[in-house]
Amino acid sequence: QKEVEQNSGPLSVPEGAIASLNCTYSDRGSQSFFWYRQYSGKSPELIMFIYSNGDKEDGRFTAQLNKASQYVSLLIRDSQPSDSATYLCAVRGDSNYQLIWGAGTKLIIKP
Amino acid sequence: EPEVTQTPSHQVTQMGQEVILRCVPISNHLYFYWYRQILGQKVEFLVSFYNNEISEKSEIFDDQFSVERPDGSNFTLKIRSTKLEDSAMYFCASRPDSQQETQYFGPGTRLLVL
Repeated sequence: QKEVEQNSGPLSVPEGAIASLNCTYSDRGSQSFFWYRQYSGKSPELIMFIYSNGDKEDGRFTAQLNKASQYVSLLIRDSQPSDSATYLCAVRGDSNYQLIWGAGTKLIIKP
Repeated sequence: EPEVTQTPSHQVTQMGQEVILRCVPISNHLYFYWYRQILGQKVEFLVSFYNNEISEKSEIFDDQFSVERPDGSNFTLKIRSTKLEDSAMYFCASRPDSQQETQYFGPGTRLLVL
């Protein structure tokens, strides 16, 4: 059974600080790794994806991938109250289509 | 900006009834997906569809479920005989051929089976 694990939170971070979200996955054959943001009652929204070991930066967001340790993380710099949401980690394996999702980490940014 | 649309936004049905959830993917997209999310739980992949056929389906997608692209724009998910445990948010997503990693999600249909 392929699993993606995340700490459910909530993770509380002061405004302006760095929020760090983590995800581990079980399938070593996983190819692509995704971070989505989901506001309550809304659909997932892609933040970024990564498939190579190391860091990938996009604005205030940095994804980090370590395939040897089977974890992927998301850093949010200069956190804003609007970043308060549930962050979903998803992983695509050797299949071309299916994403395996984590349960999400609820992030709260306190003004 | 083009977006994926879904109808209805909410649907209430009686157990055993058939429901059809509708999606209009973005017009130049070629890959289509259905996901569901039971309240408070993970997003779960149901099925992917390409070139007028199912390309992959999960264990959840049993004989009660079917998908169809009846015309050039709509993509539907049919649940033949709904069960209480089918109550969930159902999301449609689509992507173009050129962006393998970027799926665009619709706003979802909240299905409640009584």
